[in-house]
Amino acid sequence: GAGVSQSPRYKVAKRGQDVALRCDPISGHVSLFWYQQALGQGPEFLTYFQNEAQLDKSGLPSDRFFAERPEGSVSTLKIQRTQQEDSAVYLCASSLVEGAREQYFGPGTRLTVT
Amino acid sequence: AQSVTQLGSHVSVSEGALVLLRCNYSSSVPPYLFWYVQYPNQGLQLLLKYTSAATLVKGINGFEAEFKKSETSFHLTKPSAHMSDAAEYFCAVSANYGNNRLAFGKGNQVVVIP
Repeated sequence: GAGVSQSPRYKVAKRGQDVALRCDPISGHVSLFWYQQALGQGPEFLTYFQNEAQLDKSGLPSDRFFAERPEGSVSTLKIQRTQQEDSAVYLCASSLVEGAREQYFGPGTRLTVT
Repeated sequence: AQSVTQLGSHVSVSEGALVLLRCNYSSSVPPYLFWYVQYPNQGLQLLLKYTSAATLVKGINGFEAEFKKSETSFHLTKPSAHMSDAAEYFCAVSANYGNNRLAFGKGNQVVVIP
C-alpha cells in the first residue's frame, strides 16, 4: 500500500512568512509523529498524536510552531513568522497502534527560510 | 530520558570490507533500539530493531546488530560493503512505554570506496 506522504517536498519562505506542511500517514495508522532534522543532525522529536489527540508537544521549539490532526488522519504542521533557524527537513512518521515499535517515515519537507 | 551517541560523522569503507557503525545508548529503563538508513532526498527506512527478544538482530540488506547491555551498545555491522550501502545511518532509542518517541543519534555518513 501507499506509504507516508508529505507535501510540499520543498518550501522556500521569506523570513516572517507563515508556512503549512502536510502529512498523509498510512491509512489506519493511529499514531503520528513530527520530527525536525537540521542539516547534518539526526531528527529531533517535535510532537505526537494519537488519533486526533495531541498527547505530547514537548518538542515544539516555540509557540510559533503549531500542529493539528483534526480528523485523526492528515496532519498539518504550521510555523508562524518563520525565522532562519527554522530551516530544516520536517519529517512525519506514523505507526499502526500506540506502542507499536515501528515508525514509518515520509520523505520529508525541506524548508528553507531566506 | 533516552539518548544515543554515534561517533565519527563520516565513515569510509572499501567495497567488500566490513562495515561497523557504533552506537551507545543511555536509558533509565530497558530500551528499544533501532537503526535507520536514509538515502538522499528520501525518508528514513528501518534497517532493524531490538525490542528485548534476541540480542543479535538481523535486518535488511545483510545488516545485523548486537545488543550488549553491559556495554550499553548496539553496534551495526555488515560483513561486506556494497556500493549501494552508501547512505546516512542513524541509531535511535525509545522507551518501552509511553508514546515511543524516538531519540536519534547524529548519524554516520557512509562512503563506499570502490
